[in-house]
Amino acid sequence: AQTVTQSQPEMSVQEAETVTLSCTYDTSESDYYLFWYKQPPSRQMILVIRQEAYKQQNATENRFSVNFQKAAKSFSLKISDSQLGDAAMYFCAYRSFQGAQKLVFGQGTRLTINP
Amino acid sequence: DAGITQSPRHKVTETGTPVTLRCHQTENHRYMYWYRQDPGHGLRLIHYSYGVKDTDKGEVSDGYSVSRSKTEDFLLTLESATSSQTSVYFCAISPPSENEQFFGPGTRLTVL
Repeated sequence: AQTVTQSQPEMSVQEAETVTLSCTYDTSESDYYLFWYKQPPSRQMILVIRQEAYKQQNATENRFSVNFQKAAKSFSLKISDSQLGDAAMYFCAYRSFQGAQKLVFGQGTRLTINP
Repeated sequence: DAGITQSPRHKVTETGTPVTLRCHQTENHRYMYWYRQDPGHGLRLIHYSYGVKDTDKGEVSDGYSVSRSKTEDFLLTLESATSSQTSVYFCAISPPSENEQFFGPGTRLTVL
C-alpha cells in the first residue's frame, strides 16, 4: 500500500518570502499522480497543483511550483512571494495511475503567513 | 463549482444512535468517495463507489456502510455512532477526463 508523509506539522513564513513544504511517499508503482491540496479555514479542499510521475518537468502554477524527485520519492511544494491568503493547511496526496482513483493523503502542514 | 453538496453540514448526536450523511452531485460522475479528516491523519478513505450499487471499502471502513441507489447520491451510514467517529467527513467526485477529485464542503459530526 502507498503511504504519504508530511514531516512538518507547522510552518511559518514572512509575507513576500518563499517557503517550501516537504512531502515524501512510498510506492512500488512506476506511474502515478501527485497533488497538493490547500484547505483554508473555510474547510474547502482546493487543488493547488498536480504532477504526473511520467513527466520529468516540474509542474508550475503561478507562484506555486513543485520539486519532484522520483527516485527519492519526494514531492515538495514551493510557494513564492507568500501572501496572507496562502495561510492554510496543505495536504500532499498520491493517486495510482489506474484503478479507482483513490487518493492517499499525508498528515498535512499548517502554513502561517506573518505580515 | 463541481456541483457537489453534502447534508447535513453539522450534526451533533449521541453514542449508539444511527447517523446518515448524504452526498449529492449534479455532474453524473461514476466515481464518488467518502473521506474522514482528523488532526494528524490528513484525509483517509472510508468507502468509495464506482457506479450504482457498486461500492468498495477504503482504509478506515470499520463501523461505516454506504449505499448508492442513484448516480447522484452516495450515502454514508454510521449504524451505531461512537465517539471515535467524531470527525469532519468529506465527499468527493472524480470526473473521468480529469486527474483530480473535487470535494464537497464537508460535514462536521460530533458524537457525544
